[in-house]
Amino acid sequence: QVQLVQSGAEVKKPGASVKVSCKASGYTFTSYYMHWVRQAPGQGLEWMGIINPSGGSTSYAQKFQGRVTMTRDTSTSTVYMELSSLRSEDTAVYYCARALREYSGYDAFDIWGQGTMVTVSS
Amino acid sequence: QSALTQPRSVSGSPGQSVTISCTGTSSDVGGYNYVSWYQQHPGKAPKLMIYDVSKRPSGVPDRFSGSKSGNTASLTISGLQAEDEADYYCCSYAGSYTSWVFGGGTKLTVL
Repeated sequence: QVQLVQSGAEVKKPGASVKVSCKASGYTFTSYYMHWVRQAPGQGLEWMGIINPSGGSTSYAQKFQGRVTMTRDTSTSTVYMELSSLRSEDTAVYYCARALREYSGYDAFDIWGQGTMVTVSS
Repeated sequence: QSALTQPRSVSGSPGQSVTISCTGTSSDVGGYNYVSWYQQHPGKAPKLMIYDVSKRPSGVPDRFSGSKSGNTASLTISGLQAEDEADYYCCSYAGSYTSWVFGGGTKLTVL
C-alpha cells in the first residue's frame, strides 16, 4: 500500500541542524510532488516547502528561505528535509505529505508520513 | 503571509450539521480553486477530507462537503458523529511565491 515512513525523533541543540527523511513506497516515487509541513506543540499546521522528486526542483516558504534544504534520492525513493540554525521555536512535529495527483504541483496533501518530532533544547 | 482565519471552536450534537469557515484574501482562497480541508485527531497525522474546494477523496463520507464564496471557504459536516470530533484545518494555494497557507485550525466538539 502507499505509505510514507519517516525517520525517528531528534533532539538538537540551538544552532545545530537536523535532517529528516521520508521513505516512500507503493507508488512511482518520481510521479508525485512531496511537501513538508510542520506543527509546533499545541499549534496549527505550517507549510514549509515542496520538492519535485523527478527533477529535484524545490520551492520554499519565505519564512524558511536560507535555512531549509529539501533533497531526494530516487534510488531509495526517499526525500529529505534539512533545517539549519535551529532555535527553540523550531521544536515541532515535521511531516512529509504527498500530492494527491501525479505531476501536480498545485495539489492537496493526500498521503502523510507519521511525523518526526524534533526538539530543540540546550 | 498570514494564516487563513478559522473559528477556534465549533460544536454540535450527534445528527446535527456544523459549518466551519475559512477566510482568506483574493491572493489565496479567492484567487484559486485549490482549497483543501484536513481532519486531525490528537496525536495523529492530518487526513485529507476535501480538495479542490468541494471534491471528496475516495473513502471520505458524503457527510463532508466543501464550498467557497469569494474569499471564504466552508466545510460542512452533516449528520455529526462522535468520531468527527477532531481538529480541522483549511489550506489554500497562494501563488508561486508563498505557495500554500493553512488556517489556524478549528476544534470540533460533538456534544
